[in-house]
Amino acid sequence: EIVLTQSPATLSLSPGERATLSCRASHSVSSYLAWFQQKPAQAPRLLIYDASSRATGIPARFSGSGSGTDFTLTISSLEPEDFAVYYCQQYNDWPRLTFGGGTKVEIK
Amino acid sequence: QEQLVESGGGVVQPGRSLRLSCAGSGFIFSNYALHWVRQAPGKGLEWVALMSYDGTNENYTDSVKGRFTISRDNSRNTLYLQMNSLRPEDTAVYYCARDFDASGSGRLWSWGQGTLVTVSS
Repeated sequence: EIVLTQSPATLSLSPGERATLSCRASHSVSSYLAWFQQKPAQAPRLLIYDASSRATGIPARFSGSGSGTDFTLTISSLEPEDFAVYYCQQYNDWPRLTFGGGTKVEIK
Repeated sequence: QEQLVESGGGVVQPGRSLRLSCAGSGFIFSNYALHWVRQAPGKGLEWVALMSYDGTNENYTDSVKGRFTISRDNSRNTLYLQMNSLRPEDTAVYYCARDFDASGSGRLWSWGQGTLVTVSS
């Protein structure tokens, strides 16, 4: 099983600041990595797939990068609606999909 | 507009069974693989099961193999999860999710709102 480790666990930032979230895989997942956003009592929403492709309707302030074992989700300028929990997910080890433990982006 | 709506959750005693349903609309249901993903209270996401577009291929996470069965009825645009021999650790919100393609790629393109299953005596 591929283990995904996300850091930091919590990120305290102000609106307008840049957020940088990390996801590290225990083995290479090539570019088969996605990022999701989840708000309280809501379903996860796909933001990024294939490490760097934005899903339909996702604002350009969200960007993903990386390959192999190290990945980054960047939110260039935080909007109030961006405060949420973010998960990475790998699909290289098909069909054993795994998720990271999440990073909470909270208002400072 | 694409939509997935789960139902069938509730409180059940350990060892008992429950069947979840997921109704799809706004897209060609029979063209896509579908997944079940669960989230225990206050915890992260865990992939549970996958079924290909035509029902010929299914896969499960190890902890539910032999207890859970995924199925689909494309004539009713509905995905199911039959859960037997339920355990307290199966307590979670269960989401269905549409894959990006027919046989399954792991790209979880859209999600339902989830249904809560509580296993407790």
